[in-house]
Parts: sequence; structure tokens; C-alpha cells
Amino acid sequence: AQKVTQAQTEISVVEKEDVTLDCVYETRDTTYYLFWYKQPPSGELVFLIRRNSFDEQNEISGRYSWNFQKSTSSFNFTITASQVVDSAVYFCALSEWTGTASKLTFGTGTRLQVTL
Amino acid sequence: EAGVTQFPSHSVIEKGQTVTLRCDPISGHDNLYWYRRVMGKEIKFLLHFVKESKQDESGMPNNRFLAERTGGTYSTLKVQPAELEDSGVYFCASSQGQGSTDTQYFGPGTRLTVL
Repeated sequence: AQKVTQAQTEISVVEKEDVTLDCVYETRDTTYYLFWYKQPPSGELVFLIRRNSFDEQNEISGRYSWNFQKSTSSFNFTITASQVVDSAVYFCALSEWTGTASKLTFGTGTRLQVTL
Repeated sequence: EAGVTQFPSHSVIEKGQTVTLRCDPISGHDNLYWYRRVMGKEIKFLLHFVKESKQDESGMPNNRFLAERTGGTYSTLKVQPAELEDSGVYFCASSQGQGSTDTQYFGPGTRLTVL
């Protein structure tokens, strides 16, 4: 069975600090996809990134960067120079293709609080 | 382009009552998913539609839950009769492609409170 672990329940940082959100996953699939979603106070889940299991290149998008390491089954997310607007719950997810459905297995989320 | 919408945003009902949640996917998306987050736990898969057909309903908790997607457009999720443990946030997601490369786009969720 697939599993995603986000060990950090809640993180508090002061604005402009860098912060890394950890994600560790378990799967027996050789091909899979990893995702990060952001849930701001408004409630919707906002898609941030999708990463193919064959692509271990790190990705940077503005202040966001992702470090995918297959050897340690981790897909960590770093926010550089955090801002108050980054305050949200962040979910890491792993896709499982069952042959008929692409299910997502989510971690329990990490609540990030950025203060002034 | 409008995103995934869900109605209502919040529903408060008493144990034993019936509630129907609605999801409108992104236009043109054949795949529609329902997920649920209960009591701050992880978000869990409930079921998946491709157009009007149920492809996978392995995550449905029990037969008090009934999902439909008539005409392959919007979907409804009915809980009848509701129990206390059904309280949580119900998310709907849709995707355009096929197979494991899909990116699912989520709606804002419906917060269900059963008293």
C-alpha cells in the first residue's frame, strides 16, 4: 500500500526566513507521480507541482523549490524568503494508477504559519 | 476558465438526516474524483468517475453514500442517513487526461457537520 508521511504537523517562521517542508513516501510502483498542493485559509486545494518518478531534477519556481530524492523516497518543498501569504496547509501526495483510476494518497499536511 | 466548484460550502445537519453535495468539474474534464478529510486526518480517496461511469468506488465508506454523475457533467454525493462520523470536508477534483499522468484540480470543498 502507498503511504505519504509529513512528519511536521505545524511550522512557524518569521517572514523572510527560509522553510523546508518534508515529505517521505512509500510505494512499490516503479512509475509514479508526486504532487504538492497548498490549502490557503479559503479552503481550496491549489496545485503547485507534479513530479514524475523518472525525473529527479530539482525544480525551482520563483521562491519555491522542490528536492526529489528517489534514494531516500523524499520530495521536500522549500520556500525561500517566506511571506505572510505563504501561510497555509501544504499537502504532499502520491498518485497510484490502478488501471482504471489515478488515486491520490495524501499526507496529513503541514500547517505553515508565517508571521511578521 | 472556471475552476472546480462545490455546493454548499458548509452544511450542518442532524444525525439521521440526508445531505446532498454537488460538484461541478472544470468544463471538458472527463475525470471526476471525490475525496474526504475527516477530523484533521489525511485526505482520502472516495471514488472516481470517467464521464458518467464509476471507475473506482473502493474508497466509499459504506452504502449510506451514493454518488452519481448523470450526463457526465456535474456530480452529486448523497449521504443518507448521515452519522456523526461523516463529519469532515468533502473535496471534489477533476482532470482532463487519462491514466497516471493526470493532474487533479480541486474545488474548495464542502464542510459537513453532523450533530
